[in-house]
Amino acid sequence: EIVLTQSPGTLSLSPGERATLSCRASQSVSSSYLAWYQQKPGQAPRLLIYGASSRATGIPDRFSGSGSGTDFTLTISRLEPEDFAVYYCQQSGSSPWTFGQGTKVEIK
Amino acid sequence: EVQLVESGGGLVQPGGSLRLSCSASGFTFSSYAMNWVRQTPGKGLEYVSAISGNGGSTYYADSVKGRFTISRDNSKNTLYLQMSSLRAEDTAVYYCVKRAATSGPGHFDYWGQGTLVTVSS
Repeated sequence: EIVLTQSPGTLSLSPGERATLSCRASQSVSSSYLAWYQQKPGQAPRLLIYGASSRATGIPDRFSGSGSGTDFTLTISRLEPEDFAVYYCQQSGSSPWTFGQGTKVEIK
Repeated sequence: EVQLVESGGGLVQPGGSLRLSCSASGFTFSSYAMNWVRQTPGKGLEYVSAISGNGGSTYYADSVKGRFTISRDNSKNTLYLQMSSLRAEDTAVYYCVKRAATSGPGHFDYWGQGTLVTVSS
């Protein structure tokens, strides 16, 4: 099983700042099968990024994804108030498909 | 607009059974593999089960294999998860999730609002 480790656990930032979230895999993951999701309290996860770097429909361009192999990054260039949430990475290249434990982006 | 609406969650005693349903609309249901993902505060998000568009292929996580059964009725655009021999560790919010691709592996593009299953005496 591929274990996805996200860091940091919590990121405390102010609106307008840049957020950099890391997802490290225990084995290599095909970039085609690495996705990022955003979850707000009381809501289901929402797809942000797929294929490591492609934005999902309707996702603002302040969200970007990068990486390959075992190291992937989600960057939010300038935090908006609505961006404070929990972010998860997920791989679907190797069974069982797995999720990271999440990074919470909170208001400083 | 794609919509996934789960129902059937609730409180059940250990060893009991429950059937979850997911009503889908806004897309050609039979063309897409459908999935169940659960979420707990302790274990986070867990990929539980999946079924191909025609129902001919299924997947189960080791944690539920032999106890859960996934099925679908394409004439009703509905996905099911029959859960039996329930344990306390099955307590979670269960999400019905659509896979983005019509075939093969890949990410999830739409999620239902979730239904809470609580296993407790």
